[in-house]
Amino acid sequence: DSGVTQTPKHLITATGQRVTLRCSPRSGDLSVYWYQQSLDQGLQFLIQYYNGEERAKGNILERFSAQQFPDLHSELNLSSLELGDSALYFCASSVGRGDNYEQYFGPGTRLTVT
Amino acid sequence: QQQVKQSPQSLIVQKGGISIINCAYENTAFDYFPWYQQFPGKGPALLIAIRPDVSEKKEGRFTISFNKSAKQFSLHIMDSQPGDSATYFCAASMVWGAQKLVFGQGTRLTINP
Repeated sequence: DSGVTQTPKHLITATGQRVTLRCSPRSGDLSVYWYQQSLDQGLQFLIQYYNGEERAKGNILERFSAQQFPDLHSELNLSSLELGDSALYFCASSVGRGDNYEQYFGPGTRLTVT
Repeated sequence: QQQVKQSPQSLIVQKGGISIINCAYENTAFDYFPWYQQFPGKGPALLIAIRPDVSEKKEGRFTISFNKSAKQFSLHIMDSQPGDSATYFCAASMVWGAQKLVFGQGTRLTINP
């Protein structure tokens, strides 16, 4: 158990809908990262937050957005869902400063868009 | 230049043998190279990692070999066990600045009993 929690575990929704994925980082970690895992694209970085501020952006679609709250949990919002958005979404966390850059992954949320 | 190339895609090794997975990177700014192990239905778990100031790091049966001039690194699993059967991902990132992990495509490892 990495100490990173994600809810829900599974999500089934229809095209055009909007969903919110939630992540709680390990105790003491200030950085949260979101990754998407699909069969054709592999593991792809989406976005990073550090202590509430956006730090880095990857290939995140404009239909997707994220935020990190004062209690350091993070939410990934996916809107106008398409079939191709079906994937595993992972959250990872790290201390995010100094020599502490190891990222620990949560169990993921499996999103199925029908 | 952000790519990390991993090979082989799949690997079958007999119990007790040595499993070797290779990765190559382009971006010389990368200075942190972790390996992750993923079981079906689970998130990637950090296995072992290396910085470019050393050429080898060993933790139990797992060893990373790093060749800075060739921009390559590899994972060796000694005395491979059926419980090691999983998908392995190499990754690379920059410790300072954007710490996003760039992953290889993964290697599905099967250890035959």
